[in-house]
Amino acid sequence: EVQLLESGGTLVQPGDSLTLSCAVSGFTFSSYAMSWVRQAPGKGLEWVSGISGSSAFTYYADSVKGRFTISRDNSKNTLFLQMNSLRAEDTAVYYCAKDRGRLRFFDNWGQGTLVTVSS
Amino acid sequence: QSALTQPASVSGSPGQSVTISCTGTSSDVGAHNYVSWYQQHPGKAPQLMIYDVGNRPSGVSNRFSGSKSGNTASLTISGLQAEDEADYYCSSYTSNTLVFGEGTKLTVL
Repeated sequence: EVQLLESGGTLVQPGDSLTLSCAVSGFTFSSYAMSWVRQAPGKGLEWVSGISGSSAFTYYADSVKGRFTISRDNSKNTLFLQMNSLRAEDTAVYYCAKDRGRLRFFDNWGQGTLVTVSS
Repeated sequence: QSALTQPASVSGSPGQSVTISCTGTSSDVGAHNYVSWYQQHPGKAPQLMIYDVGNRPSGVSNRFSGSKSGNTASLTISGLQAEDEADYYCSSYTSNTLVFGEGTKLTVL
């Protein structure tokens, strides 16, 4: 059974940094691209960032480019999202998702972790 | 990276069919067949319902179907059931990014 479990979400102040993790199981992690998708309270889905299986390619939404860094550790079956210079508008539930082909579609999602940016 | 345009809400009675549209541009929806649809119940993670315009993942009811014409993709749900009440999002690949639709709230009357 495919499982994705996000962690690391918490309350932080504007300008702070935070790293989210997504531990996966049930599939060969290194064979699949992965993405982070977020959802602000009461709002729609927003794709944030993606990474290829080998980490050779990374992709970012304009809204986070230069502030967020996606990475993965295939030896530990874990995906990361390092978030710097956090803003109030980054407040959201962050989901990790298994990608079936370089931003093609996401066939498995985690349950999400809440990041709140507030003073 | 503007969101794809979806109606804010649609509704239908049990047993009826509803169609949700997803309008983009020639750079995203109209450029290829990497259009997918997700269902999200309140407080839950999204679930893939349709991929590559009109393909259903294993386990998804055949009451769900997808299509595309030009820059507009559509999700049709036939034989509406109470459990179909949820938010629906389309998405499309574009220029090394992915864009979601604004989301549509489906109400089963």
